[in-house]
Formats: sequence, structure tokens, C-alpha cells
Amino acid sequence: AQSVTQLGSHVSVSEGALVLLRCNYSSSVPPYLFWYVQYPNQGLQLLLKYTTGATLVKGINGFEAEFKKSETSFHLTKPSAHMSDAAEYFCAVTLGSSNTGKLIFGQGTTLQVKP
Amino acid sequence: NAGVTQTPKFRVLKTGQSMTLLCAQDMNHEYMYWYRQDPGMGLRLIHYSVGEGTTAKGEVPDGYNVSRLKKQNFLLGLESAAPSQTSVYFCASMTSGSGIPYEQYFGPGTRLTVT
Repeated sequence: AQSVTQLGSHVSVSEGALVLLRCNYSSSVPPYLFWYVQYPNQGLQLLLKYTTGATLVKGINGFEAEFKKSETSFHLTKPSAHMSDAAEYFCAVTLGSSNTGKLIFGQGTTLQVKP
Repeated sequence: NAGVTQTPKFRVLKTGQSMTLLCAQDMNHEYMYWYRQDPGMGLRLIHYSVGEGTTAKGEVPDGYNVSRLKKQNFLLGLESAAPSQTSVYFCASMTSGSGIPYEQYFGPGTRLTVT
């Protein structure tokens, strides 16, 4: 069965500092991996996704993530945090061969950005 | 385009009451999903549909029913609400593509409280 673990339910950084949100997955077949962001009282918005090809994926708002098969990880990074990045972030996985698109989500990480 | 809309935005129910949540999308998407979001648990899939007239169970289907009579609408029903169903409910939709996952588009959510 597939699963996703996000290390750290809360992460706090200073404005301008590096953002690193950790995600590890478990899958017996090649996974497709996603990062979503949720701003307060809103739905989820896709930040980036990995399906096949290049393992370093760039997304919106300056975020990127690297798929590391050997470490079963898909950590999200941003070189310099902005106040507007404060939100909850979710890592998700689906079967690469899936024809239903069902997603398994991690528990979420709340990012706090301090001035 | 309105994207994915959900009705109502908020609702308070008493234990044992019933209600229906409506999800509508105007993107002609084949796939639709209902999730619930609870603190510290991420989003969990309740039911999903891969086309008009079809539905299937997700991770946490007990106590819920769904219908997809029209391609653009996906209804989630609670026949006898329980306090454990207090949650934020999200609907999502996605275009189909053989084996290739696309972005799931999320609605703004419905906050349900069962007393």
C-alpha cells in the first residue's frame, strides 16, 4: 500500500531563509508525486508534480522539489522565504499506473514565516 | 470559468440529521473526488467517480453516499450525521488521460459541524 509521511507538522523560518519541507513516500510501484499548498480558508492548489523524466521539478512561486528514488523522498525547497509563503503544505502520491488519479496525502506541514 | 464550486460553505447539523453537499465543475472533467480534511490527518478520500453514472469507494466511505447523475455534478450525502463527521469537506475534479495524472482542481471547501 502507498503512504506518505511528512516530517514536522510545523516549520518556522525567518523571511529570506531557506524553506525545506520533508516528504517521504512508500510505494511498491513507480509513484507520481505532488506538492499542494493550502492558504487559510481556501482549497488546495498544485505547487508542482513529478511524473517521469527530470527528477528536479520546478513549480510556482519559486518552489522546487527533487525526486530521490534511493531515499524515497520528495522534499520541497525554496531558497528564500517570503511572508506570503505562510500556509499549509501537503505532499501526495498516486500510482504511476493509476487510471483513477486517486491521491494519498501526507498529514500536512504548516509553514510559519517570521519577519 | 468558475472552476469547482461547493454548496453550502458552512453547515451545522444535529446528530441524526441528513444533508447533501453539492459539488459542481465547469471544466468538463471526467474525474471527481470527495475528501475530508481533519487536523493532523491531511486529506482522506471518501468516494470518487471516473465518469457520469459511476462511483467508487475511497479510503473512508462509511456513513457517506454519493451520486454522479450529471457529469458536472458530484453529490455527497450524509444519511444520519454523527459528531465524527465534523470536518471540512473538499471536492476536486481532474481531466482524464490514459495513465497520465493531471492536476486535481479543488473547491473552496464546506465546513460541517455535527453537534
